[in-house]
Amino acid sequence: GQQLNQSPQSMFIQEGEDVSMNCTSSSIFNTWLWYKQEPGEGPVLLIALYKAGELTSNGRLTAQFGITRKDSFLNISASIPSDVGIYFCAGQAIMNTGFQKLVFGTGTRLLVSP
Amino acid sequence: DTGVSQNPRHKITKRGQNVTFRCDPISEHNRLYWYRQTLGQGPEFLTYFQNEAQLEKSRLLSDRFSAERPKGSFSTLEIQRTEQGDSAMYLCASSWQGPLLYGYTFGSGTRLTVV
Repeated sequence: GQQLNQSPQSMFIQEGEDVSMNCTSSSIFNTWLWYKQEPGEGPVLLIALYKAGELTSNGRLTAQFGITRKDSFLNISASIPSDVGIYFCAGQAIMNTGFQKLVFGTGTRLLVSP
Repeated sequence: DTGVSQNPRHKITKRGQNVTFRCDPISEHNRLYWYRQTLGQGPEFLTYFQNEAQLEKSRLLSDRFSAERPKGSFSTLEIQRTEQGDSAMYLCASSWQGPLLYGYTFGSGTRLTVV
């Protein structure tokens, strides 16, 4: 199935460092979403982006919707151990039937050393 | 209401057996989705219900898979004659009708292992 490309695949950082990850697509999406998934759990929504160029923050997290609507990045500032998990981007595509489908990225695994 | 609930959390089955998973969405949500997630990948769309009507099905959903949502409340996903390739996390999600402004709310998933 279709998936978005995320980079890097994994990151191992020290507590307190800033983190940046991005997501690219060959398709245009109306909405971009960033989710975090912890082991054995479902994805949890972090940030939603609705307009090209939009920059949105949620606490230590900041995400931007690319001008072309084909990419997005997520930054985490001053990382803490509980930031550990897999971060997924997702693009919302509206199908011909009106159905709104989420297409997920391949994920970025984040490990934070205390 | 504490969110989307999925049961069981884990299921180990022998190849060839049938399995059924249940999803209870957030009570106010009339849209329900099933996704499948294999190891190291993001979730992939399987099927979508609006109320009790199944409106979309992915090509990933082979003839061995069937999903129902009687009365527009909980949903079940059945896999017949399981194969090792069916091993995955099966995620259920729900949302409000209308513009999908806030993404889905996912459940914790059912992890299926076919041996």
